[in-house]
Amino acid sequence: EVQLVESGGGLVQPGGSLRLSCSASGFSFSSYAMHWVRQAPGKGLEYVSAIATNGRSTYYADSVKGRATISRDNSESTMSLQMSSLRPEDTAVYYCVKGFDSSSYFADAFDIWGQGTMVIVSS
Amino acid sequence: DIQMTQSPSSLSASVGDRVIITCRASQSIDRYLNWYQQIPGKAPKFLIHSASSLQSGVPSRFSGSGSGTDFSLTISNLQPEDFATYYCQQSFTTPNTFGQGTNLEV
Repeated sequence: EVQLVESGGGLVQPGGSLRLSCSASGFSFSSYAMHWVRQAPGKGLEYVSAIATNGRSTYYADSVKGRATISRDNSESTMSLQMSSLRPEDTAVYYCVKGFDSSSYFADAFDIWGQGTMVIVSS
Repeated sequence: DIQMTQSPSSLSASVGDRVIITCRASQSIDRYLNWYQQIPGKAPKFLIHSASSLQSGVPSRFSGSGSGTDFSLTISNLQPEDFATYYCQQSFTTPNTFGQGTNLEV
């Protein structure tokens, strides 16, 4: 079964840091770009970050640029998003997402979503 | 960034109805348009890619059309499990951007 499982969410104070992790199974992880999409409570979907298959190319939305670092370990089929200087507006469910087309770089559809991990930034 | 605008933002319908949700891009995106369904408390589900290609396992009552800047998602013969929020997303260029969502309710 193709599956993505996120972990690492929780309550953190403004200015704090958090590391989100995603464990993949059931597909050739190293063949697909991987992405993070977030959803603030009651709001729509926001594209956050992406990492290419080789891990050397990354993308960050302006809203997290300079505060987030995405990484992947193809040998372990895992991906991470390290976030620092967290703000209340970072409060959201963070989804780990698989790119649909193995030949696509970052612009892609998203065919597999994890269940999401909740990040709450509050004092 | 390419802006995606969905209409309507919310829609009331009944079981058995046919509904159409539209999505407009701020510039041409060819057919790089995808649709997702989200049930409250759940992750989005991938429905349609490339404007009109149904993802495996998605019921045939779902269909998509359009190209350039104007797209639509049609759901025929609405079923109880179809009441959800629907999002369009462009994959023409980075950053991938989503519409604001359409809440389909009874």
